[in-house]
Amino acid sequence: AQTVTQSQPEMSVQEAETVTLSCTYDTSESDYYLFWYKQPPSRQMILVIRQEAYKQQNATENRFSVNFQKAAKSFSLKISDSQLGDAAMYFCAYRSRDRGGSEKLVFGKGTKLTVNP
Amino acid sequence: ETGVTQTPRHLVMGMTNKKSLKCEQHLGHNAMYWYKQSAKKPLELMFVYNFKEQTENNSVPSRFSPECPNSSHLFLHLHTLQPEDSALYLCASSHLTSGSWYEQYFGPGTRLTVT
Repeated sequence: AQTVTQSQPEMSVQEAETVTLSCTYDTSESDYYLFWYKQPPSRQMILVIRQEAYKQQNATENRFSVNFQKAAKSFSLKISDSQLGDAAMYFCAYRSRDRGGSEKLVFGKGTKLTVNP
Repeated sequence: ETGVTQTPRHLVMGMTNKKSLKCEQHLGHNAMYWYKQSAKKPLELMFVYNFKEQTENNSVPSRFSPECPNSSHLFLHLHTLQPEDSALYLCASSHLTSGSWYEQYFGPGTRLTVT
C-alpha cells in the first residue's frame, strides 16, 4: 500500500518570502500522479499543482513549483513571494496511474502554513 | 466556490440519532466521493461512486450508509454513531475515473460532532 508522509506539521513564512513544504511517499508502482492540495480556513480544498511521475520536468503554477525527485520519492512544494492568502493547510497526495492500480487519492497528514505580515 | 455544495455545514447528533449528510455538484461530473477528515490524521477515502454505482468502499462501518440517486447528488446516512466518528466529512466530485486523471473538486465539508 502506498503511504504519504509530511514531516512538518506546521511551518511559517514572512510575507513575500519563499517557503518549501516537504513530502515523501512510498510506492512500488512505476507510474503515478502526485498532488498538492490547499485547504484554507474556510475548508474548501482546492488543487494547487500536480505532477505526473513519468515527466522529469518539475511542474510550475505561477508562484507554486515542485521539486520532484523520483528516485528519492520526494515531492516538495515551493511557494515563492508568499502572500497572506497562502495561509492554509497543505496536503500532499498520491494516486496510482498503473493499469489496475487503485484510483483513490492517498493523502498525507498535512502541513499548516502560517504567513506573517 | 468549487461547484460542490454540502449541507448541513455543522451537525451535532447523539449516538442514537439518525441523520443524513447531503452533497450536490453542479459541474456535470459523474464520479462522487465521501472523505473523512479527522484531526491529526490523513484524509481518508470512504466511498466512491461512478455513474451512481458504488465502486469503492474503503472498509467503512455499516453505521455509515451512502446513497447516490443520480450523478449530481450524494448522501451519507448516519445511524448509531460513536464519538470517534466526530470529524469533518468532505464530499468531492470529478469526471469518470478510468485510468485517466481528472481533478477532484471538494465541497466545504460538514463538521459532525457525535455526543
